[in-house]
Amino acid sequence: AQSVTQPDIHITVSEGASLELRCNYSYGATPYLFWYVQSPGQGLQLLLKYFSGDTLVQGIKGFEAEFKRSQSSFNLRKPSVHWSDAAEYFCAGPNAGNNRKLIWGLGTSLAVNP
Amino acid sequence: DVKVTQSSRYLVKRTGEKVFLECVQDMDHENMFWYRQDPGLGLRLIYFSYDVKMKEKGDIPEGYSVSREKKERFSLILESASTNQTSMYLCASRGVYTGELFFGEGSRLTVL
Repeated sequence: AQSVTQPDIHITVSEGASLELRCNYSYGATPYLFWYVQSPGQGLQLLLKYFSGDTLVQGIKGFEAEFKRSQSSFNLRKPSVHWSDAAEYFCAGPNAGNNRKLIWGLGTSLAVNP
Repeated sequence: DVKVTQSSRYLVKRTGEKVFLECVQDMDHENMFWYRQDPGLGLRLIYFSYDVKMKEKGDIPEGYSVSREKKERFSLILESASTNQTSMYLCASRGVYTGELFFGEGSRLTVL
């Protein structure tokens, strides 16, 4: 069955350190993939998306993600984390059974130490 | 700037009450969605609509209904609220030709 998996439930990093959040997907064809961020008590905001073409995707707030078909991964990265990046991060991908819907990972909660 | 507006950020209702959650989008999107979000369970799709008066069940439709009389508005209805429906409810919209969803700020519902 298709799925989107975020292996890390919770991650803590120090401010200024680099960050990588993992996302693995299972999908038969070339997927489209998204990363969203959710600040406490807020809705979700799109960070970046991958549809096709360049496998390294740039997003807002200094984030980037790389699509690696061989590893079925779409990991989110940021070279230097700011305290304001503390939030919940969600990865999402296509639903082969119904392309109007998305499949969501369960999210990774990021804490940033000063 | 695109906008999805949910009518209420916070609601407190009593068991058995009928609850309406309203969502309006200004992007002329065909597709609209209602999710609920609970700790540890991520986002779960309740219902979605792909056109006016058209709807389709999501993964957890039990205890909910929806209405889409106009393209810009999608309402979630809890006919008889129960305590296990205490949750954060998120509305989203999506165009036919755009992949991403645009979300509202969320409505946090507490059922006592």
